[in-house]
Amino acid sequence: GEDVEQSLFLSVREGDSSVINCTYTDSSSTYLYWYKQEPGAGLQLLTYIFSNMDMKQDQRLTVLLNKKDKHLSLRIADTQTGDSAIYFCAESGRSGNTGKLIFGQGTTLQVKP
Amino acid sequence: GAVVSQHPSRVICKSGTSVKIECRSLDFQATTMFWYRQFPKQSLMLMATSNEGSKATYEQGVEKDKFLINHASLTLSTLTVTSAHPEDSSFYICSARSLPRGAETQYFGPGTRLLVL
Repeated sequence: GEDVEQSLFLSVREGDSSVINCTYTDSSSTYLYWYKQEPGAGLQLLTYIFSNMDMKQDQRLTVLLNKKDKHLSLRIADTQTGDSAIYFCAESGRSGNTGKLIFGQGTTLQVKP
Repeated sequence: GAVVSQHPSRVICKSGTSVKIECRSLDFQATTMFWYRQFPKQSLMLMATSNEGSKATYEQGVEKDKFLINHASLTLSTLTVTSAHPEDSSFYICSARSLPRGAETQYFGPGTRLLVL
């Protein structure tokens, strides 16, 4: 079935780079997404990548996609304390055009000053 | 980016009462909205897909008579938790689907925290 897995916790020091990893099972996913959730808030779309791309960079964020291994990563350069949050990866799976997303369980990023 | 609002942000109610949660897309029209439920320290669980002008599609295990969804316009969907019980206490998040600006994207509301006493 459709499944998305993430590590649950990552701790880094301010100024370091953070790398959050995600694996997914459905190779038919057209888009893969990264969302950020701050405490008590909804999800904020950070970035997305189309399945025929290997990499996408947007300011401090770099997304790498290894379609063969079904592995997605989000790198945050120069991590700041404001980056502390839960990060969810999501895939569109076999939903076709319904828009349904399958989320991982979320990675809590802790940034220490 | 696109903005989605939810109202109320927090609600406390007595067991047996019904609670209505609104989800609005503020600066775009959303033919499809989604309702999620999130338990503490867990991921989002899709409850139902709400299409404007038609009946909602519920995920397996979600009671449609318990969680009533109405998508009356292109900018508003409502979720009514009927005869709420303490086990319905959760964080409810809606999202609205914005059709292609390069990708299908979902924009999420800030969530509604429901506490049933």
